Amino acid sequence: KQEVTQIPAALSVPEGENLVLNCSFTDSAIYNLQWFRQDPGKGLTSLLLIQSSQREQTSGRLNASLDKSSGRSTLYIAASQPGDSATYLCAVYYGGSQGNLIFGKGTKLSVKP
Amino acid sequence: EADIYQTPRYLVIGTGKKITLECSQTMGHDKMYWYQQDPGMELHLIHYSYGVNSTEKGDLSSESTVSRIRTEHFPLTLESARPSHTSQYLCASTIPDSFGEKLFFGSGTQLSVL
Repeated sequence: KQEVTQIPAALSVPEGENLVLNCSFTDSAIYNLQWFRQDPGKGLTSLLLIQSSQREQTSGRLNASLDKSSGRSTLYIAASQPGDSATYLCAVYYGGSQGNLIFGKGTKLSVKP
Repeated sequence: EADIYQTPRYLVIGTGKKITLECSQTMGHDKMYWYQQDPGMELHLIHYSYGVNSTEKGDLSSESTVSRIRTEHFPLTLESARPSHTSQYLCASTIPDSFGEKLFFGSGTQLSVL
């Protein structure tokens, strides 16, 4: 069964720290991987999309890396700010039907001022 | 960017009622989706559509139906609401991106069935 795991479930850091969020997947035959941000009671906002052939993607203070062979992706957030507080989810797409898009449960990030 | 509108934002109803959750987008996207999400849990696909008159079932579709008569409109209907349907319902659409198809979500409908 294809599973996506995000550890830790929650993380609290002081403002200004650089931090790494982890995403692991059991089946390495992925098509792409997407990182999302979700604010409480809201929908998801797409942050970065990485194709299986890529190693990393960058957007501002965010950098996502992908290591297919080890079944891992990381989301690096530089110089964290209180406004970064949210839940971060990764989703792995295996191609074909939309049912092959598997979400993790997310990491709830709290950045303290 | 995609603008996806979901109404209502919050809904509290009694058991046995029929309800329709609305989702619309003005970008002309063909592909649209409904997901269900419980607090702290992963998203589960309920239904999806690849265009007008196209609908497919996801993992949790057995107690709901959808229709896609117009490109911009993708409503979700629960014929008889139960407390187990209490959850957040998220509508989404996809647009092609340089690296695949990027998902865009609405703000969600938080449903409580008493």
